[in-house]
Amino acid sequence: DIQMTQSPSTLSASVGDRVTITCRASQSISSWLAWYQQKPGRAPKLLIDKASSLETGVPSRFSGSGSGTEFTLTISSLQPDDFATYYCQQYKSYSLTFGGGTKVEIK
Amino acid sequence: QVQLQQWGAGLLKPSETLSLTCAVYGGSFSGYYWSWIRQPPGKGLEWIGEINRGGDTNYNPSLKSRVTISVDTSKNQFSLRLSSVTAADTAVYYCARGVASGSFYHYWGQGTLVTASS
Repeated sequence: DIQMTQSPSTLSASVGDRVTITCRASQSISSWLAWYQQKPGRAPKLLIDKASSLETGVPSRFSGSGSGTEFTLTISSLQPDDFATYYCQQYKSYSLTFGGGTKVEIK
Repeated sequence: QVQLQQWGAGLLKPSETLSLTCAVYGGSFSGYYWSWIRQPPGKGLEWIGEINRGGDTNYNPSLKSRVTISVDTSKNQFSLRLSSVTAADTAVYYCARGVASGSFYHYWGQGTLVTASS
């Protein structure tokens, strides 16, 4: 299986901050990477697919970049609704795997 | 508007079989892959497996010996069975729609907490 490692595991930030989350794959996955946002008690919400393609309805303050083994999710100006846990997911090969998550907390 | 609604038993004893069903409302049932994903309390997401309308399946090798995913096209439903559960199988189980085999997920069910405890 391809292992996905996210960092940091927890991030404390303030409204208006620029936030960057990193996801590393144990082998190249080209651009076959998705990002999700999850709030407590809710299913994950898809934000980005193919590493940088923003889903319809997702605010433009979210962006994704990277290819190969290193990827980033950036929130350009953190908003109150953005405090949540974020997961990356590779879909280059089976078994599909997710990163361990990054919890974005209020500083 | 695509909606996935899931149900099933929430409390099992060790060695019993977990059984969940997910119904799909709105959109097409064909042309997609239908998946199960789980999340132990306070932990990350684990992909369990997927099926298409024709019954083609792919499973996580770590669970393959205990997992069966099936489809009922007449009802636009798909189901998960996980045999011989232990406490390690305690998790919120989600159904989800993939755009293709082995892909990402736009639509998710509401989640079902399944607890395996004696």
